[in-house]
Amino acid sequence: SAVISQKPSRDICQRGTSLTIQCQVDSQVTMMFWYRQQPGQSLTLIATANQGSEATYESGFVIDKFPISRPNLTFSTLTVSNMSPEDSSIYLCSVAGTGYEQYFGPGTRLTVT
Amino acid sequence: AQSVTQLDSQVPVFEEAPVELRCNYSSSVSVYLFWYVQYPNQGLQLLLKYLSGSTLVESINGFEAEFNKSQTSFHLRKPSVHISDTAEYFCADPSGGSNYKLTFGKGTLLTVNP
Repeated sequence: SAVISQKPSRDICQRGTSLTIQCQVDSQVTMMFWYRQQPGQSLTLIATANQGSEATYESGFVIDKFPISRPNLTFSTLTVSNMSPEDSSIYLCSVAGTGYEQYFGPGTRLTVT
Repeated sequence: AQSVTQLDSQVPVFEEAPVELRCNYSSSVSVYLFWYVQYPNQGLQLLLKYLSGSTLVESINGFEAEFNKSQTSFHLRKPSVHISDTAEYFCADPSGGSNYKLTFGKGTLLTVNP
């Protein structure tokens, strides 16, 4: 399985600011995904990011709030824009395996004050 | 669309006791199912996966899950748990199609007490 790293591992941000989260993979992958895990909750898919195309967002998530870049096959970023306390969550990136499974990064713990 | 239901939000057990974490799926098409584990303050790790073939799948740390089509279940079991098994466990299935979306259950918090 791929080795995935995320930066930052955690951050505390003020309301109204933006944070960009980086996801780095040690091998080339076609599909990358971004999830949100709100406190005490399960994971919710934000968007699918394929290299060379626009990200595909799930219902309830919009590009203006969560812009995503995918400049190459090993890297992606997710920006959380104009943050509010409701954005306090763990944000995880993942990559697709060979059999529909996904492998996850360690996550970024975001607290918005 | 497929979905998974985890029937228990919390399961407390004593060390060395057996445990079963329940997961039911709903689908009328071919099924793939996964169990993920999230240890405290960590990301998700793939614990085991069912893609096809043998209905009993095992992980390297003693967990196993059995795909039961007649009961539409994929329960996770371990005959003897350790304190280090304390974690959140998620059942998941891919929604299919070309984008491999995973749908997660709500999770079951397994707490192993001494």
